[in-house]
Amino acid sequence: AQTVTQSQPEMSVQEAETVTLSCTYDTSENNYYLFWYKQPPSRQMILVIRQEAYKQQNATENRFSVNFQKAAKSFSLKISDSQLGDTAMYFCAFRLRGYQKVTFGTGTKLQVIP
Amino acid sequence: DTAVSQTPKYLVTQMGNDKSIKCEQNLGHDTMYWYKQDSKKFLKIMFSYNNKELIINETVPNRFSPKSPDKAHLNLHINSLELGDSAVYFCASSPEKDSGSLETQYFGPGTRLLVL
Repeated sequence: AQTVTQSQPEMSVQEAETVTLSCTYDTSENNYYLFWYKQPPSRQMILVIRQEAYKQQNATENRFSVNFQKAAKSFSLKISDSQLGDTAMYFCAFRLRGYQKVTFGTGTKLQVIP
Repeated sequence: DTAVSQTPKYLVTQMGNDKSIKCEQNLGHDTMYWYKQDSKKFLKIMFSYNNKELIINETVPNRFSPKSPDKAHLNLHINSLELGDSAVYFCASSPEKDSGSLETQYFGPGTRLLVL
């Protein structure tokens, strides 16, 4: 069974600064996807960024980037130039290629401080 | 242009009642899901349907019954509601597995259920 661990329940960052959210996972499989989802106070789950395990290059989406360390089974999210709108719960998620089930971490609550 | 929609957005009801939550997606996806998010924000899958066929059924009480009339709809019916059913329920959809389209799940806005 796959597990996803987010060891930081809460974090805060000053506006315009950079913050990194940690995520580790456990699997014996080789082909999978990793995701970061954002859940603002509106509760809507929004995909932030995704990474395919067979790609060594770290995914980037504007101010969001990941540090994917496959051997260490680590998938951290870096948010650069933090904005007030980044305040939200952030969930790390894992999905085996070809399977429907997604396993989520317990989330990290990020507060961006003006 | 709502991709995944859920109704109602809020649902307040008494213990013992039966209620339904509806979900519709207009993305042409083959797979749909129901998740439960508890008060600690933990998101856990309940069910998954692929082309109207049940493919994931996690350890969920029999009081919960999903219904998929077609691949664009997945409704959740809950019988004999209990206090512990209070949570936010999310519907999601994704393309057919191994479709090469990134296998990303798209979530609905959630339904906040409060059982009194």
